Order: sequence, then structure tokens, then C-alpha cells
Amino acid sequence: GQQVMQIPQYQHVQEGEDFTTYCNSSTTLSNIQWYKQRPGGHPVFLIQLVKSGEVKKQKRLTFQFGEAKKNSSLHITATQTTDVGTYFCAGGGNSGYALNFGKGTSLLVTP
Amino acid sequence: DAGVIQSPRHEVTEMGQEVTLRCKPISGHNSLFWYRQTMMRGLELLIYFNNNVPIDDSGMPEDRFSAKMPNASFSTLKIQPSEPRDSAVYFCASSRGGVETQYFGPGTRLLVL
Repeated sequence: GQQVMQIPQYQHVQEGEDFTTYCNSSTTLSNIQWYKQRPGGHPVFLIQLVKSGEVKKQKRLTFQFGEAKKNSSLHITATQTTDVGTYFCAGGGNSGYALNFGKGTSLLVTP
Repeated sequence: DAGVIQSPRHEVTEMGQEVTLRCKPISGHNSLFWYRQTMMRGLELLIYFNNNVPIDDSGMPEDRFSAKMPNASFSTLKIQPSEPRDSAVYFCASSRGGVETQYFGPGTRLLVL
């Protein structure tokens, strides 16, 4: 079945450094969503990408959806301590079935 | 909008006891999901309901786990009997459809001693 792989599992950066997490699917996705979970919190929706090659920005966050709609990335420019948390990608299959979440990338930012 | 409501927020119980987790989805959402999160296994989908009907329960660990959705505004996840390895955070989420944006509840932190 459809699987969504996410790397890296963990990332530790100094404040001000950039950060990128990658998401790959074994099958073509109808859409991809990104969620952020703060420590002790619950996953919160960040953004959805639907179109091939789509790029969206939210302040210092840049989200990309691959041309083949099988991969995606989240890039954070100049990380801040408020960026700490786990970032999940979640892919929607073309059958319209439920989202398939990746394992997440845990980001630690030290001042 | 109140968001997804889960209760209890914390549960400590002894091995062998029955545990019932409750969820109230966002009004108007027709899809409901139960997830389990642990450090080792990450976020796992346990079961997915659409219009109160279980669509896929392949993620339910074993017969000790059961879930119901008697109406559009309420769902339960029951563990009977509970075991220490069931200790985890259990999230309920709802959405307008299977691949639409999911809104997560605050979670129930379960500890089985």
C-alpha cells in the first residue's frame, strides 16, 4: 500500500541555521499536507499542496510539491527557537482514502 | 468553534482494567480518525470512520481494541483488558473527508501500570 517516508528523523540546528525535511511516497499523491506538533501538543495543520511543482510560502517556511507528485519538502530559513517541534507530512492517495502520515522530523533549535 | 474534544486528557490505570477514550468531532465533519502516538512507533492510524461507518480498522492492534461511532458527534475507543504496552498518547482527529485537512484533538495521555 501507499507509504510515506520522511527524512531525517531528527535534526538539531543552531538558531539562525536553515532546516529542511523531505517526504517521499511510493505512489503518486493527490495532495500533500504538512503538520507541526509542538512538544506536548497535538499535530496542527500548516498547509496543503495539490498541484504538480507547487511552491507555497508562509513567512520563513517554504513548501514544495514535486513534479511527479511523489515527493515534497519543507524548508525553514533562519530557524528560531519557536520552530522547535515535529513536522509531519501526510499524503493523500488518488483513491480518496485517508491521509498517510510520515513518521515526522523532530527539530531541535538551540540558541 | 470548539474544535475536536477528547476526554479524559490523562488516564492512569492498572493492567487488566478497561479503558474508554472519548471523542467529539467538529460539527459538520464526516470523517473521524483515531491515532496512537509513541516514541518508538510514531503516529499510527488505528481506525477511520466515514459517516459513522468504520472504513478501515487494519491499524487496530488486536482484539483488545474496539472503536464505535454511534452518531456523528461521538466516538469511543475502548481497550479491554489494558496492558502496559498500550501506554501512549491517543489522538482523535476529524475532517470533512478522507484526504481533507485533519483537525486533531488535544489527545489522551494513557499510562497503564
